Parts: sequence; C-alpha cells; structure tokens
Amino acid sequence: DTGVSQNPRHKITKRGQNVTFRCDPISEHNRLYWYRQTLGQGPEFLTYFQNEAQLEKSRLLSDRFSAERPKGSFSTLEIQRTEQGDSAMYLCASSSGTYLAKNIQYFGAGTRLSVL
Amino acid sequence: GESVGLHLPTLSVQEGDNSIINCAYSNSASDYFIWYKQESGKGPQFIIDIRSNMDKRQGQRVTVLLNKTVKHLSLQIAATQPGDSAVYFCAEEVYGQNFVFGPGTRLSVLP
Repeated sequence: DTGVSQNPRHKITKRGQNVTFRCDPISEHNRLYWYRQTLGQGPEFLTYFQNEAQLEKSRLLSDRFSAERPKGSFSTLEIQRTEQGDSAMYLCASSSGTYLAKNIQYFGAGTRLSVL
Repeated sequence: GESVGLHLPTLSVQEGDNSIINCAYSNSASDYFIWYKQESGKGPQFIIDIRSNMDKRQGQRVTVLLNKTVKHLSLQIAATQPGDSAVYFCAEEVYGQNFVFGPGTRLSVLP
C-alpha cells in the first residue's frame, strides 16, 4: 500500500494526558498537512510542512499542539494536556504540488481521538 | 476571510438519477478547487479538480462546473449509484498552499 498511513487509527485517553500521532506520507511527496475534523464538519487546517520545514500553522492551533517532520519523511502530531474539546478525527495528507503544479492532497484514514 | 460553504447539507437521490452538489466560496483570488468524497471511517478521497481558467471539467461520471462571477462550484454525478453515497466536500486552495474545506453535503442514494 503506497498511500498515506496514519497510526494509531483510534486513541482513547484521559483528560490531561499527552498523545502523539504518526503520519507516513506517500514517499515522493514533499508536502505534508495535518487537519482536524469534527463530526459533521469539513477538515480544518492545522499545519503543513514543506520537506522538514513547518511553513504554516493555523491560528486555531494552541500551544498544546506541536508537529514535527524531522527528516522530511514521516510526521508526528503531539497534543499535550489533552482536553475533551480535542476529541476529533486528525487527518494527515500529503502532496507533491507546487504553486505551478496541481496541489492534490491525498489523505490518510485518520486517527480518531477520544478524550474522556 | 476565506471561506467555503455549501447550499445543501443533505441530498437524497434515486439510484440512476443525476446528482448536483453545490458549493459557494468567498475568496475571489482562489484559483484552484477540488471536490473530495468521504465515506464513513475513511479520509477524504480526491474526485476531480478544476483551475480558475476553466469553467467546466469532466471525469468519469463526474463533472465540475465553476462560475467565477458568482463564486460558485458544483459537482454533477451522472447515473448515481449506491456506492456514491458519502459526504462530499469542496475545497478551495488558499495562496497556493493549504485548502479551506466546506462543511460537506451528505449524498444518500435511494434504491
């Protein structure tokens, strides 16, 4: 399977705990995106990387959220001191696009986080 | 600010009929749009895209129409099948970097 892979698929945690999610993009893609999706809503942009550089973060991304892509390949998204409002599906997407090329983002199946 | 929205949150169609899903966007500077399909428990799946220098693009059973004058997108699905049942999102590329997604339309195909 050469698509975007996310782990774990489901995560249940208690409020106040830290959680970390992993995303493995399509191998030749240099862009990697994180989105959050709540029930009945479209994906909401969180942050994105061009290779290992984090180029943009949403204003909605609180200080408790941090993302890394240390070698320009896989990425991790960490949420510290989780709150019930963090419960959502966290989606990762990758693309090979530049401004002049098509920036089609291919999504993983997501990690569903439930904070109790 | 940029935003993308949908006129209809739910749409029910008979199997075999054509479906039309609509989307409005607010950023007149956006020049690239994608329609995604999301099935339950899965991530969004690319269906079709269009650049702003076009007003129509066709794929297999799907057509996207873009009206830049009124900032409106539509997705037409011909001969809708049960496998087309899903939530459909339009997404607007912002400054050539990330996308803004609308809230989605749920398409239900009736037998």
